[in-house]
Amino acid sequence: EVQLLESGGGLVQPGGSLRLSCAASGFTFNNYAMNWVRQAPGKGLEWVSCISYSGDSTYYADSVKGRFTISRDISKNTLYLQMNSLRAEDTAVYFCGKLSGTSSYLPVNHWGQGALVTVSS
Amino acid sequence: DIVMTQSPDSLAVSLGERATINCKSSQSVLYSSNNKNYLAWYQHKPGQPPKLLIYWASTRESGVPDRFSGSGSGTDFTLTISSLQAEDVAVYYCQQYYSFPLTFGGGTMVEIK
Repeated sequence: EVQLLESGGGLVQPGGSLRLSCAASGFTFNNYAMNWVRQAPGKGLEWVSCISYSGDSTYYADSVKGRFTISRDISKNTLYLQMNSLRAEDTAVYFCGKLSGTSSYLPVNHWGQGALVTVSS
Repeated sequence: DIVMTQSPDSLAVSLGERATINCKSSQSVLYSSNNKNYLAWYQHKPGQPPKLLIYWASTRESGVPDRFSGSGSGTDFTLTISSLQAEDVAVYYCQQYYSFPLTFGGGTMVEIK
């Protein structure tokens, strides 16, 4: 059974940093591209970032480019999102998602439960 | 960037009746080399992660009830719930995965009338 478990969320001050982790199990982690998607309070879904199955290619929403970094550690079967220079508008539930195949141009077919990030002083 | 526009923002449908959600992309998401539309539909309930319903615009994900169907091509797409059930109350999103940045529609809230 595919399982994705996010951790690392919490309260951080504006300008601060946080690293989200997504522990993956139940599938061959290095065979699938992965996404981060977020939902701000009362808002819709917003795609944040994608990393290819190999980790060689990464993609970012304009709203986080230059501040967030996606990465993956195959030895730990874990996906990461390093978030720097956090702003109030980054407050959201962050979901990690496994794409349905090797390609980065696929939908997410398995999701984690989400991690809440609150940016506030 | 490809802008995804959903309509309506919300709709209320009686149990057993049909619900129809529309999604329009600002440019085509049909990839000519494989004739596939890079369009997915998700169902999202409060406190839960989203759930993939439809991909390639019309292919139902495994385990999804057949009352959910997707149609359309190019820039205009539709999600239909043929006979609304109580458990279908949720927000529904379309998403294009044709090009980065990936983009979602604004969502359509489906309620029981």
